[in-house]
Amino acid sequence: RKEVEQDPGPFNVPEGATVAFNCTYSNSASQSFFWYRQDCRKEPKLLMSVYSSGNEDGRFTAQLNRASQYISLLIRDSKLSDSATYLCVVKTSYDKVIFGPGTSLSVIP
Amino acid sequence: GAGVSQSPSNKVTEKGKDVELRCDPISGHTALYWYRQSLGQGLEFLIYFQGNSAPDKSGLPSDRFSAERTGGSVSTLTIQRTQQEDSAVYLCASSLGQGINQPQHFGDGTRLSIL
Repeated sequence: RKEVEQDPGPFNVPEGATVAFNCTYSNSASQSFFWYRQDCRKEPKLLMSVYSSGNEDGRFTAQLNRASQYISLLIRDSKLSDSATYLCVVKTSYDKVIFGPGTSLSVIP
Repeated sequence: GAGVSQSPSNKVTEKGKDVELRCDPISGHTALYWYRQSLGQGLEFLIYFQGNSAPDKSGLPSDRFSAERTGGSVSTLTIQRTQQEDSAVYLCASSLGQGINQPQHFGDGTRLSIL
């Protein structure tokens, strides 16, 4: 089993749709969680950190469920510019960082 | 401020040659990571440096790969006797250091092509 797993995708959604991505991790000692986005042929860029209480940044909402070892990202009112690959990232103690395989999103006009 | 800087941006070389890739992290960042990413694939962890601690080399795919970090700042990744399967984008990231909620910041990567 991979340490971090994500919805395989791809997700193809119309503009304005709401889309949710799921991520699970296997190491219960994981301490920090992030969502990154990666555009085609570009480097990953931090989208948002994920906090225990859940957090929101504009149209983006991240949730963490430690008991189920599950992270989610919700995007509301999808824009064309949201098209990218979304990477779930888990950081354990001692700074070990594990990237999920990513979920591809295409927002269609 | 300046982000993570990598050089060269692109490198084309013949099979069997050695290559050296450079990463200059964000000033003050003590943690530095190297990854590689093949076309259409996820990130593959290679090596991690944290301050003066011994690096975590667990991701290096073979003994042809090595990396060093001098003075706790700039890092070089060296690939000896390159093979075609080494072709990938090599990404460097840095973070502020140990501690939770310290995200990584990536450089633009070096696109390596082995002919």
